[in-house]
Amino acid sequence: GENVEQHPSTLSVQEGDSAVIKCTYSDSASNYFPWYKQELGKRPQLIIDIRSNVGEKKDQRIAVTLNKTAKHFSLHITETQPEDSAVYFCAATRDTGRRALTFGSGTRLQVQP
Amino acid sequence: EAGVVQSPRYKIIEKKQPVAFWCNPISGHNTLYWYLQNLGQGPELLIRYENEEAVDDSQLPKDRFSAERLKGVDSTLKIQPAELGDSAVYLCASSLSASGSVDEQFFGPGTRLTVL
Repeated sequence: GENVEQHPSTLSVQEGDSAVIKCTYSDSASNYFPWYKQELGKRPQLIIDIRSNVGEKKDQRIAVTLNKTAKHFSLHITETQPEDSAVYFCAATRDTGRRALTFGSGTRLQVQP
Repeated sequence: EAGVVQSPRYKIIEKKQPVAFWCNPISGHNTLYWYLQNLGQGPELLIRYENEEAVDDSQLPKDRFSAERLKGVDSTLKIQPAELGDSAVYLCASSLSASGSVDEQFFGPGTRLTVL
């Protein structure tokens, strides 16, 4: 089955700096890679996703890059704000067969004002 | 639109007692997932339904866990008997399509279970 590893486990940045979170996956057939943000005590919410037919996707201050050859993908947050503080999870899955998400272990991002 | 609804939000029980969690997915979503989230970790799939059929329950500990989605809408997850190690957050999620390409999974707020 799929295995997703996520680094770092914690990340502290100053407001306005950039933050980068990296994930690797094991199943070369995986083709959908979402990122979820989970604030303390709240539900995970999708912030951005990417499919294997593109290498990069941007949405305002958030971008995700995918390297299929190396089987890794990254989340980039620019101009970080205190409200970006949360736990971020990457995930991977394939279209066919089992379509449940396999999640990474999470990155706790702390943005210092 | 209303999101995924779960109840109860919190449950505290003694070990060996039974417990049940309820989930109401987003209207029209035919795929429903139950995930287990341990503290400081990512969610892990327990069971996935497409309509009323459990299509992936390989990670469900069937000796004590059971689930149902009788009419293809609401779902119930049960643990009997509960063990100390079952303390976790139980998340329900739903998505629109039962086949074809992957669609966004929407999560409920979860049920935080504490087993004493």
